[in-house]
Amino acid sequence: DGGITQSPKYLFRKEGQNVTLSCEQNLNHDAMYWYRQDPGQGLRLIYYSQIVNDFQKGDIAEGYSVSREKKESFPLTVTSAQKNPTAFYLCASSKRGLAGGYEQFFGPGTRLTVL
Amino acid sequence: DQQVKQNSPSLSVQEGRISILNCDYTNSMFDYFLWYKKYPAEGPTFLISISSIKDKNEDGRFTVFLNKSAKHLSLHIVPSQPGDSAVYFCAASANYGGSQGNLIFGKGTKLSVKP
Repeated sequence: DGGITQSPKYLFRKEGQNVTLSCEQNLNHDAMYWYRQDPGQGLRLIYYSQIVNDFQKGDIAEGYSVSREKKESFPLTVTSAQKNPTAFYLCASSKRGLAGGYEQFFGPGTRLTVL
Repeated sequence: DQQVKQNSPSLSVQEGRISILNCDYTNSMFDYFLWYKKYPAEGPTFLISISSIKDKNEDGRFTVFLNKSAKHLSLHIVPSQPGDSAVYFCAASANYGGSQGNLIFGKGTKLSVKP
């Protein structure tokens, strides 16, 4: 059963601690993405990776880091430098759709709360 | 500057009637458009997409219309059902260069379908 998994569903951390969010996909997709969603906001791109061992900053990369050592995995680290880390984090991967463009498929998300 | 705008934060319709969700974009390089549906605390799920070479795409109860001259697209749901109640995100991409596959999301419209 193919899909994208994110763990854990809920995560609590103390202020000043780094935390790593997991994202795994078995869809054989080349590209993977990290977004955050805040109340009343759309999805804002943090980082993306179009191929293993390569990744690019998105619109709000400050305070975050990623790695892409395997095609299946794209973990996101929220560092203590991120000023407002409490949010809902979504991971996605993409493939080219029938209409010709790329469609992204999302994991279930991780709700991070920094106390 | 928002490149993808959903100007209605919320929409309420009666079960069985038509729901029309609107989306405007500013970047003329966008050539692929998607709609996603999202329930609270879950990842968005892909609904329907349209390429810029078309002006209409239909999939069951869902139809997306694209008006390139007006830089406007809309999602029609007919007939609306209570299970359609969710937040709907419009997204756009420009399938060229290094940003291939990256999506720009609107802020979403919360649809409520009342029995």
